[in-house]
Amino acid sequence: AQSVTQPDIHITVSEGASLELRCNYSYGATPYLFWYVQSPGQGLQLLLKYFSGDTLVQGIKGFEAEFKRSQSSFNLRKPSVHWSDAAEYFCAVGAPGRRALTFGSGTRLQVQP
Amino acid sequence: NAGVTQTPKFQVLKTGQSMTLQCAQDMNHNSMYWYRQDPGMGLRLIYYSASEGTTDKGEVPNGYNVSRLNKREFSLRLESAAPSQTSVYFCASRTTGEGSNQPQHFGDGTRLSIL
Repeated sequence: AQSVTQPDIHITVSEGASLELRCNYSYGATPYLFWYVQSPGQGLQLLLKYFSGDTLVQGIKGFEAEFKRSQSSFNLRKPSVHWSDAAEYFCAVGAPGRRALTFGSGTRLQVQP
Repeated sequence: NAGVTQTPKFQVLKTGQSMTLQCAQDMNHNSMYWYRQDPGMGLRLIYYSASEGTTDKGEVPNGYNVSRLNKREFSLRLESAAPSQTSVYFCASRTTGEGSNQPQHFGDGTRLSIL
């Protein structure tokens, strides 16, 4: 069975600082990987996705993520965080033939002025 | 663009009451999903519908039923609500023929409290 681990429950960064959110997955082959963001009281919005090809993918709002097969990781990064990035971030994995995604437990990001 | 619309947005129930959460999408997606979100547990799949006329259990189906009324609508019913079902419920949809490489689109959620 596939699984997703987000080791950091809560992260605080200063505005303008760089950000990296960790995601590790467990799956026997190359999975489909997603990052979603959830603002308070809102649904989940897709930030970016990886299916195949270039292992560095660009998303919306200046985010990027890198797929590293050897580490079973798909970490999310942003060079300079803005106060509006404060939200909860979810990593998710899908697999060929599987109809639904498996989500990690989320990382809550707080941005300090 | 409405996307995925969930109603109601908030609801308070008493233990033992029943209710139906409604979900509709206007993106002509084949697949629809119901998740619940609890603190520290991410999103857990309750039921999904790969296409009109089909439904399947997810990770946590006990205490719930679903109906795929047509291609647009997918409802979730609690027959006898329990406090353990207090949660935020999300509906999602995606286009699919084969495979899981298309992202899901989410509604804004229904915040359900059961006293």
